Amino acid sequence: GENVEQHPSTLSVQEGDSAVIKCTYSDSASNYFPWYKQELGKGPQLIIDIRSNVGEKKDQRIAVTLNKTAKHFSLHITETQPEDSAVYFCAASGTAAGNKLTFGGGTRVLVKP
Amino acid sequence: DTAVSQTPKYLVTQMGNDKSIKCEQNLGHDTMYWYKQDSKKFLKIMFSYNNKELIINETVPNRFSPKSPDKAHLNLHINSLELGDSAVYFCASSQGTVKETQYFGPGTRLLVL
Repeated sequence: GENVEQHPSTLSVQEGDSAVIKCTYSDSASNYFPWYKQELGKGPQLIIDIRSNVGEKKDQRIAVTLNKTAKHFSLHITETQPEDSAVYFCAASGTAAGNKLTFGGGTRVLVKP
Repeated sequence: DTAVSQTPKYLVTQMGNDKSIKCEQNLGHDTMYWYKQDSKKFLKIMFSYNNKELIINETVPNRFSPKSPDKAHLNLHINSLELGDSAVYFCASSQGTVKETQYFGPGTRLLVL
């Protein structure tokens, strides 16, 4: 089945700096890659996603890139703010994976004011 | 106007007991999920229902039994609770396949003593 690895597990950045989280996946049939943000005591919330027919997608301060050949995708957050502090999860899904989302282990991001 | 709601929010119980967690979504979605998040924040799919039909059944103990009385509700019943069942359980829903945004509930924090 699909295996998703996420790095780093923790990330501390100064407010205003950029944060980058990287994920690799194992199933070449995966074609949908969402990113979720989980704030303390809450459920995960989708912040951006990318499909395999696109190499990059941007939404304000958040961008995601996908390299299908290398089987990795990344989340970029620019001009970080204290409210970006949360746990971020990448995930992958493809028909070969039983049409389910497989999540990475999560990255705890702390933005220091 | 809560989208995905779960009850109870907290559940503390003794080993061996049977408990249920309820989930309701008012988004009109066809697909609902149960996830387990362990103490290390790892998120793993347990079950998925589409229009009341079970479509994903991961390798979870058969002490866990999901029930979907209608497409807006997905409940989780757990028999003979064990210490290792302590976790946060999240319900989620999506319109159509898993390659659509999944909306997560606030979670049910289960502690088995």
